Amino acid sequence: ELQLEESGGGVVRPGGSLRLSCAASGFTFDDHGMNWVRQVPGKGLEWVSGISWNGGNRGYAESVKGRFTISRDNARNFLYLQMNSLRADDTALYYCARVGGDSGSYGGRGMDVWGQGTTVTVSS
Amino acid sequence: QSVLTQPPSVSGTPGQRVTISCSGGSSNIRSNTVNWYQQVPGTAPRLLIHSNTQRPSGVPDRFSASKSGTSASLAISGLQSEDESDYYCAAWDDSLNGWLFGGGTKLTVL
Repeated sequence: ELQLEESGGGVVRPGGSLRLSCAASGFTFDDHGMNWVRQVPGKGLEWVSGISWNGGNRGYAESVKGRFTISRDNARNFLYLQMNSLRADDTALYYCARVGGDSGSYGGRGMDVWGQGTTVTVSS
Repeated sequence: QSVLTQPPSVSGTPGQRVTISCSGGSSNIRSNTVNWYQQVPGTAPRLLIHSNTQRPSGVPDRFSASKSGTSASLAISGLQSEDESDYYCAAWDDSLNGWLFGGGTKLTVL
């Protein structure tokens, strides 16, 4: 079964850090680009960051550029998001999502496998 | 522009056909393919349409989509109560070098 499972969310004070993890199973992880997408409860989806199959190409939304770092460990089938200098407006449910097809890019075809998300709350 | 605009809500009765529009610009919809996602509140999004018109396996053929110029649309025919969800369009944006999502459309089945 194709599966993505996020972890690492929690409550953190403004200015703090968190590292999110996403464990992939049921497919060849290093065939696919991966993305992080977040959603404030009751609001829409917002793309956060993406990474190509080998980590050679990475992208970030302007809102997180310079504060968040995406990475992956293909040997362990894990995707990560290091989040520093967290702000209240980073509070959201964070999903990891696989890009379909075999291009290996984090763009292109749609995101065809999603995890259930992990919640990040930034509050003093 | 680097914004995808969707109507906040649409509604229809069972059996009806409804459409959801998605308006973008030259850096996203005109030059890249459009994907559509369905999200039942409280659950993760589900890919409904990729590459403008392609349905992943398991998606009923009641769902179809099209693209023209800087706009795209999702059509749902034979509306069913279980179609009541939020729907999002998405496209790669060349200016942002990343994904752009529409604001989402809430479909209500009356």
